[in-house]
Amino acid sequence: AQSVTQLGSHVSVSEGALVLLRCNYSSSVPPYLFWYVQYPNQGLQLLLKYTTGATLVKGINGFEAEFKKSETSFHLTKPSAHMSDAAEYFCAVSNDYKLSFGAGTTVTVRA
Amino acid sequence: GAVVSQHPSRVICKSGTSVKIECRSLDFQATTMFWYRQFPKQSLMLMATSNEGSKATYEQGVEKDKFLINHASLTLSTLTVTSAHPEDSSFYICSARDWRTASTDTQYFGPGTRLTVL
Repeated sequence: AQSVTQLGSHVSVSEGALVLLRCNYSSSVPPYLFWYVQYPNQGLQLLLKYTTGATLVKGINGFEAEFKKSETSFHLTKPSAHMSDAAEYFCAVSNDYKLSFGAGTTVTVRA
Repeated sequence: GAVVSQHPSRVICKSGTSVKIECRSLDFQATTMFWYRQFPKQSLMLMATSNEGSKATYEQGVEKDKFLINHASLTLSTLTVTSAHPEDSSFYICSARDWRTASTDTQYFGPGTRLTVL
């Protein structure tokens, strides 16, 4: 079965610094991979997804992620953090049309 | 596009009562909807998958008689927590799969419902 592992439950960055959130997946078939963001007491918002084609995927709010099959990774990055990026981020892999989520990474942004 | 709403956003009820939560896809048809439960500081746990016009498929360990799911139309699914108890207090989130992107398994999430059982 497919699964994802998010490395680091909490990431703290300075405003303007690089944001890097790590996600590794396990899949026996070519995966569909997703990053979602959750703000407090809200549902999840899709940031970006990888299905097929270009391995560098650009999403909303300046985020992007690169699918690396050789490393089984799908890390999320943003060149310059903004205070509004403070939230919980979830990596997910589709598993027979269902989504399996990682444990989540909390991002805090320091002024 | 791909907006999902939930109602209510917050509900407080007494132990032993039943609570119904609605999930609607506002601008697309959702052949499949999902219900999740999320405890504080934790990830989402899939409870069940519902397909329009058929019975829901529950994940292992989820009581189908306690969490009744109905998917009566392509835009509406409901979750009823029957005879709620304090341990049912949680954040319930629904999602819907847009038939136009169904092949990529993309799910769009509602804003969630905070249930507190006293």
